[in-house]
Amino acid sequence: EDQVTQSPEALRLQEGESSSLNCSYTVSGLRGLFWYRQDPGKGPEFLFTLYSAGEEKEKERLKATLTKKESFLHITAPKPEDSATYLCAVQAGGSARQLTFGSGTQLTVLP
Amino acid sequence: GAGVSQSPSNKVTEKGKDVELRCDPISGHTALYWYRQSLGQGLEFLIYFQGNSAPDKSGLPSDRFSAERTGGSVSTLTIQRTQQEDSAVYLCASSSTTGGGNIQYFGAGTRLSVL
Repeated sequence: EDQVTQSPEALRLQEGESSSLNCSYTVSGLRGLFWYRQDPGKGPEFLFTLYSAGEEKEKERLKATLTKKESFLHITAPKPEDSATYLCAVQAGGSARQLTFGSGTQLTVLP
Repeated sequence: GAGVSQSPSNKVTEKGKDVELRCDPISGHTALYWYRQSLGQGLEFLIYFQGNSAPDKSGLPSDRFSAERTGGSVSTLTIQRTQQEDSAVYLCASSSTTGGGNIQYFGAGTRLSVL
């Protein structure tokens, strides 16, 4: 059974204080690993897809990396507007296309 | 439209009543998914439609839940004889199987409250 575990559950940072969120996964043949951002009362907003170990992607203050067992979302010099819940999900190989999500990391960036 | 549209945004119902939730995917997207997000929990897969193929219903929690997709576009998720444990946010997503690959784009969701 595919499984995704995110840590920490919650993280409070001061503005400008860099940190990383962790996503550990077990999946039968990884088709892709996805990071989403979710603001209160809204649906998840796509950030990144990573397909193979060693791959990295960046967008503004965010950088996602992937190994065979986990992914990290690095946040450099965060701002209060980066406060949100960050969700990690995996898509397995084969015919299934649904995503298996972790429970998320709730990030709060204090001014 | 520009994104995935869901309606209603909020639905309050009484235990035992039936509800219908609607999803309008991004134009041209052939794949459509329904997920459920309960308070403090991760998103849980419910059902997946791909073109004209038979849907993958493996995530539906009971036979009170059903969904259909008409004309390969709009989808309706129906919950019969609602129970309090059905209270959650129901999210719809769509994706294209070409170009952008498997990226799923989500709507804002329908918040269902069963009293």
